[in-house]
Amino acid sequence: AQSVAQPEDQVNVAEGNPLTVKCTYSVSGNPYLFWYVQYPNRGLQFLLKYITGDNLVKGSYGFEAEFNKSQTSFHLKKPSALVSDSALYFCAVRDRGRGSTLGRLYFGRGTQLTVWP
Amino acid sequence: NAGVTQTPKFRVLKTGQSMTLLCAQDMNHEYMYWYRQDPGMGLRLIHYSVGEGTTAKGEVPDGYNVSRLKKQNFLLGLESAAPSQTSVYFCASKGLAGPTEQFFGPGTRLTVL
Repeated sequence: AQSVAQPEDQVNVAEGNPLTVKCTYSVSGNPYLFWYVQYPNRGLQFLLKYITGDNLVKGSYGFEAEFNKSQTSFHLKKPSALVSDSALYFCAVRDRGRGSTLGRLYFGRGTQLTVWP
Repeated sequence: NAGVTQTPKFRVLKTGQSMTLLCAQDMNHEYMYWYRQDPGMGLRLIHYSVGEGTTAKGEVPDGYNVSRLKKQNFLLGLESAAPSQTSVYFCASKGLAGPTEQFFGPGTRLTVL
């Protein structure tokens, strides 16, 4: 069964410092991995995804994520945090199976990122 | 393009009442999904559809029904609302080809008293 763990409910970081939001996953076979961001009272917005190839994926707003197959992790990173990055971040995984379950995502519980000035 | 839209944005129901949430997308996407979001629980899949006229159960389908009569619309129904269904409901859609991302609507905040 597919599952995603985000071990930290909250991450606090000072503006200008690097940030990391952690994600580990469990899936049979090779996964597709996604990061989404949710601002208050809004829907989820896509940030980036890992499909195949380079383990370092670059996405929107200066975010990047590193896929580590041996550690089954897909941590979200940004070299220099902004106050405007404060939001709820979700990691999601899906398998590569075909058929009617194609496209189904499994989400982590979310990590609240707070960047203070 | 409006993307994914949801109607209504807010609703308050009494226990036992029924209602329908409407999701519409203008991206010609094949796949559509209904999720509920509860604090500390992340997003949980209620029902989904892989094409017009087809639906399937997700992780938490009990108490909900869905219909996909038109490709662009995906309706979520609550026949007899319960306080446990107080939540924020999100609709999402995805195109057919490849490992593309899902696009989310703005959400419907439902309170059942």
